[in-house]
Amino acid sequence: DIQMTQSPSSLSASVGDRVTITCRASQSISTFLNWFKQTPGRAPKLLIYSISNLEDGVPSRFSGTGSGTHFTLTISSLQPEDFATYYCQQGYNTPHTFGQGTKLEI
Amino acid sequence: EVQLVESGGDLVQPGGSLRLSCAASGFQFGNYLMSWVRQAPGKGLEWVAHITQDGSEAKYVDSVKGRFAISRDNSKNSLYLQMNSLRAEDTALYYCVIPWGHWGQGTLVSVSS
Repeated sequence: DIQMTQSPSSLSASVGDRVTITCRASQSISTFLNWFKQTPGRAPKLLIYSISNLEDGVPSRFSGTGSGTHFTLTISSLQPEDFATYYCQQGYNTPHTFGQGTKLEI
Repeated sequence: EVQLVESGGDLVQPGGSLRLSCAASGFQFGNYLMSWVRQAPGKGLEWVAHITQDGSEAKYVDSVKGRFAISRDNSKNSLYLQMNSLRAEDTALYYCVIPWGHWGQGTLVSVSS
């Protein structure tokens, strides 16, 4: 199985900050990398698919980069609604494993 | 509007069985591969299984192989997850997902004596 490792596991930041979350895959996953946001009590929401493509309606302050095994999610200027848990996920092969999550806190 | 509504979650004893259902609407259900993803209380996300559009092929995470079975009825726009030999570690909120942009709100399965 492909292991997905996120760092950091938690992150404290302030409104207006620029933050970056890293995701590493245990083997190459080509472009099959997605990012999700989850707030408490809610289902996950797709933010970015195929490394860098923003899902419809996702603000442009979110961006994704990377290739092969190393990927990043960047939020250019944190807004109050961005404080949540973020997950990466590989869709390269089954099981479609998720990272352990990064909790972004004030 | 795409809607996915899960049902069937319950409290069940270890070794018991449950059948989860997902009622889909607002899209051509038969055109989409469908997945189940679960989340244990306070934990991260775990992909459980998926099934192809015509139901001919299914894949599972190792921890549920031989115990869970995913199926679908395209005539009823419904997805199912038959869960047998349930264990405490199967306790989770189970989401029905159109990979990966649409998620239901989940149905809670609790396995405890």
